[in-house]
Amino acid sequence: EAGVTQFPSHSVIEKGQTVTLRCDPISGHDNLYWYRRVMGKEIKFLLHFVKESKQDESGMPNNRFLAERTGGTYSTLKVQPAELEDSGVYFCASSYRQGVLETQYFGPGTRLLVL
Amino acid sequence: SQKIEQNSEALNIQEGKTATLTCNYTNYSPAYLQWYRQDPGRGPVFLLLIRENEKEKRKERLKVTFDTTLKQSLFHITASQPADSATYLCALDSNYGQNFVFGPGTRLSVLP
Repeated sequence: EAGVTQFPSHSVIEKGQTVTLRCDPISGHDNLYWYRRVMGKEIKFLLHFVKESKQDESGMPNNRFLAERTGGTYSTLKVQPAELEDSGVYFCASSYRQGVLETQYFGPGTRLLVL
Repeated sequence: SQKIEQNSEALNIQEGKTATLTCNYTNYSPAYLQWYRQDPGRGPVFLLLIRENEKEKRKERLKVTFDTTLKQSLFHITASQPADSATYLCALDSNYGQNFVFGPGTRLSVLP
């Protein structure tokens, strides 16, 4: 069974440009999470989808970030316009059920560098 | 303010010894605490979960303790091997158990 996949693995863009990250969760997992780790800091929660609905987006840093999960399958995270402080590693995770007792399976991450 | 600290950024130990990693938290009241392993270029991988009413949990060579009075969890790897070298992250539940808060991680190196 395929794990969580993320695309691209790396992205280098200039400040002010737009970048879209994609996450394909494990098939059948209704719950999809986005996290990010900026340089030297801990992994931080961004938001949580249950199917196509946003369950919790309390971690989204500002309105330059837009996450979607149309159809409840894959998800995209768009940063527009990108700023220097957006550089970091963006992780996606999925789980079958929600809640802390459910194991979250993480993808390999997308490394974003904004110049 | 709320804070999670892990004992050190990096820890070196000799193969065969027991590695002990520490996770301390401030101004949280987690019901659950998790430990993850992360290898370079990969996402975190779940290892163990311990509940607030559990003192200790074991899985093969791994042991986790959870002391809610001290606000601390200890993560032990016995008979450590070079393959155990990785970054280990603790995470605790927040927001009524709907998402996690991660610690900064400890990079463990097991030397042959």
